[in-house]
Amino acid sequence: GQSLEQPSEVTAVEGAIVQINCTYQTSGFYGLSWYQQHDGGAPTFLSYNALDGLEETGRFSSFLSRSDSYGYLLLQELQMKDSASYFCAVREGNTGFQKLVFGTGTRLLVSP
Amino acid sequence: DTGVSQDPRHKITKRGQNVTFRCDPISEHNRLYWYRQTLGQGPEFLTYFQNEAQLEKSRLLSDRFSAERPKGSFSTLEIQRTEQGDSAMYLCASSTLDRKGPYEQYFGPGTRLTVT
Repeated sequence: GQSLEQPSEVTAVEGAIVQINCTYQTSGFYGLSWYQQHDGGAPTFLSYNALDGLEETGRFSSFLSRSDSYGYLLLQELQMKDSASYFCAVREGNTGFQKLVFGTGTRLLVSP
Repeated sequence: DTGVSQDPRHKITKRGQNVTFRCDPISEHNRLYWYRQTLGQGPEFLTYFQNEAQLEKSRLLSDRFSAERPKGSFSTLEIQRTEQGDSAMYLCASSTLDRKGPYEQYFGPGTRLTVT
């Protein structure tokens, strides 16, 4: 079956660095995506890893190890607006079609 | 704004009624997806269209659910004989295809359905 595990909640202060881990078990793995979702809002794409290694996009970085079925999202220089839920999502399928299988999400609370 | 749009944003209905939601994807995106999200959970895949063809359906999509994309542009999701368990946020996403494969999915704001 498919399963993704993330911590349910993480707290940090402004300016800090936080890492949100994600482990997965799935078939037809194509890559790992990360989405941010504010309360009442739509999931917003942050990052995607198809290959092992680190991808950096501004204050956010994402890492993947396919052999360990593990990835993480690293958020640096935290700001209050980063308080949101963060979802890892496995891209599952093939070249022509991929669906996203989401984890249950990690709620990040950033305090002053 | 040329993002994914959904209508209505909120829908309250009584059990047993039928409801229909609409999604307008990003104009150049030929791939469209429907997801359902309940409180405290991540979105769950329901179905997928490539142009007007519905190519994939989740087992979550019971016979009471039907989706269409008649002209390969907007899509509708209909739920017949709604049940309280159908209460959720229904999200639409769209994507296109680049040289590396299906590009990232962009989500609309969702339709929040409450069945009383």
